Amino acid sequence: GENVEQHPSTLSVQEGDSAVIKCTYSDSASNYFPWYKQELGKGPQLIIDIRSNVGEKKDQRIAVTLNKTAKHFSLHITETQPEDSAVYFCAARPSGTYKYIFGTGTRLKVLA
Amino acid sequence: EADIYQTPRYLVIGTGKKITLECSQTMGHDKMYWYQQDPGMELHLIHYSYGVNSTEKGDLSSESTVSRIRTEHFPLTLESARPSHTSQYLCASSDRGPRDSPLHFGNGTRLTVT
Repeated sequence: GENVEQHPSTLSVQEGDSAVIKCTYSDSASNYFPWYKQELGKGPQLIIDIRSNVGEKKDQRIAVTLNKTAKHFSLHITETQPEDSAVYFCAARPSGTYKYIFGTGTRLKVLA
Repeated sequence: EADIYQTPRYLVIGTGKKITLECSQTMGHDKMYWYQQDPGMELHLIHYSYGVNSTEKGDLSSESTVSRIRTEHFPLTLESARPSHTSQYLCASSDRGPRDSPLHFGNGTRLTVT
């Protein structure tokens, strides 16, 4: 069935450095890819998303890139801050469904 | 922040008890979902609904049941709780608009069955 692989599972960076999280999806018909941030004790919150007709999208310090040929998409966080510490999930929505397939999550720690 | 509410936030109950986890949203979203989140963080879809009187089982087998009698309300029920049901349960909803409407999550119910 459809699946989304996410790497790494944990990531530690120094404050001010960049962080990159990578995902690979299996269903080539997937056409919508949101990213969620989950802080301790809260539900996941959407931070950025990208549609299959776009290769890159940026929102301040956060950017997402999509390579449809390779079925890869990545989250880039620049100038990381301690408040960026959280668990991040990628997701893909297979075509023809309203269901989302989530990656396994990345625990990001930004060291002050 | 999305207006989707889950109660209770924390619940500790004994084996064999019947429980209902509540989820309500005030955004008029037609699609609602229940996810189970294990300690390893993974999110598993256990139930979803595309509208009133529509419910479907998700990808992860679950002994729970759901109902969707009103658009804004999507409760999840366990008839007889067991320790294996101990987990975090997350409710989500999405709009009736374009297919790429994102999910809005509640803050979850952390269930412990002793």
